Amino acid sequence: GAVVSQHPSRVICKSGTSVKIECRSLDFQATTMFWYRQFPKQSLMLMATSNEGSKATYEQGVEKDKFLINHASLTLSTLTVTSAHPEDSSFYICSARDPQGEQETQYFGPGTRLLVL
Amino acid sequence: AQTVTQSQPEMSVQEAETVTLSCTYDTSESDYYLFWYKQPPSRQMILVIRQEAYKQQNATENRFSVNFQKAAKSFSLKISDSQLGDAAMYFCAYLMTGANSKLTFGKGITLSVRP
Repeated sequence: GAVVSQHPSRVICKSGTSVKIECRSLDFQATTMFWYRQFPKQSLMLMATSNEGSKATYEQGVEKDKFLINHASLTLSTLTVTSAHPEDSSFYICSARDPQGEQETQYFGPGTRLLVL
Repeated sequence: AQTVTQSQPEMSVQEAETVTLSCTYDTSESDYYLFWYKQPPSRQMILVIRQEAYKQQNATENRFSVNFQKAAKSFSLKISDSQLGDAAMYFCAYLMTGANSKLTFGKGITLSVRP
């Protein structure tokens, strides 16, 4: 199947700083990527849909100015958590669809664990 | 709005035995996709199996098979010959057809495998 990578796998930062998480499709071009947030033992919560070359679409309740998404190329989407606070600590997962494959199937990155002190 | 329900938070199975994980969903659409994803302790989401709603035949992938009952809106996952590596959280998910459709996940079920 298609491979999606994320970097970093874990990050610790101080409160008030910004953190950037990268999501890359390694062997396919993804026009659409998705960003999720997951708390321990809970399901994935969709934060936003990232479309290459256009603005991201945010889910209700997600602050677009706090969670900046950029999808500048067909293989890279970035999520920047601005002015991070301890309550932003979570597991962030990206996914992508392979338009040349089974388009309905989403392939997930390994996730990024964010801890804000 | 579409919803996916996994009513059992936890299940346990003896190694080499068979276990069935339940999932129901609600939709007014006739064409859609259903998935089971596995999330082991590494937290990497892994696609286990997918089912197209227009296909009557139940999907099968090695030891994993589904019982898709479209009229009842039920989509259960059967794991045969359970292995220790099957221990994980399992998520049932629904996807409406369309370029910008989004996955709707159930709450997940934690499966433990007893040696």
